Amino acid sequence: DGGITQSPKYLFRKEGQNVTLSCEQNLNHDAMYWYRQDPGQGLRLIYYSQIVNDFQKGDIAEGYSVSREKKESFPLTVTSAQKNPTAFYLCASNPAGSSYNEQFFGPGTRLTVL
Amino acid sequence: QQPVQSPQAVILREGEDAVINCSSSKALYSVHWYRQKHGEAPVFLMILLKGGEQKGHDKISASFNEKKQQSSLYLTASQLSYSGTYFCGTGGPDKLIFGTGTRLQVFP
Repeated sequence: DGGITQSPKYLFRKEGQNVTLSCEQNLNHDAMYWYRQDPGQGLRLIYYSQIVNDFQKGDIAEGYSVSREKKESFPLTVTSAQKNPTAFYLCASNPAGSSYNEQFFGPGTRLTVL
Repeated sequence: QQPVQSPQAVILREGEDAVINCSSSKALYSVHWYRQKHGEAPVFLMILLKGGEQKGHDKISASFNEKKQQSSLYLTASQLSYSGTYFCGTGGPDKLIFGTGTRLQVFP
């Protein structure tokens, strides 16, 4: 079955530690996206990538970093510079990176920083 | 800029109808609608494109006023399964910006 996998589902870290969230897709989609969701708020775009080895900042990129070394994979690192990292993180992909296409979402990772 | 959704919350009895609105200050290439259950991934409902094309589920209907930069999602004869938070996403050429959501609760 094609889809997007995110692991782990729940993640706990101590303050000051970097943590990397995994996102893998086997849909052969060109574009991948990371969103952050806080209670009562919408999905805010962190980073996105239209093609391997290229990515752009979204609206709230500060304190985050990404890489896109393979088409299938778009890991997100939450660094210690992110002031309030506790949130629900969603990864998504899109066939051609155009907003004319549906976005496919992974199941999400809930990150809690203690 | 984040699109504005209204209302923020809706409470319905099964069988009742609802309309959720989404407006943007920017010109739109497309409007997407998604529904999210608590703690789960958003699920695709519909895309509306400039020029009038629509892609989505048969039981969901929506409108897109390009001139007014607005879209409305119409939920008719609501079912318990319609409960969740509805998000619109307004499309530029290469990314979506999502609204803050409309929480819909359907009771028996």
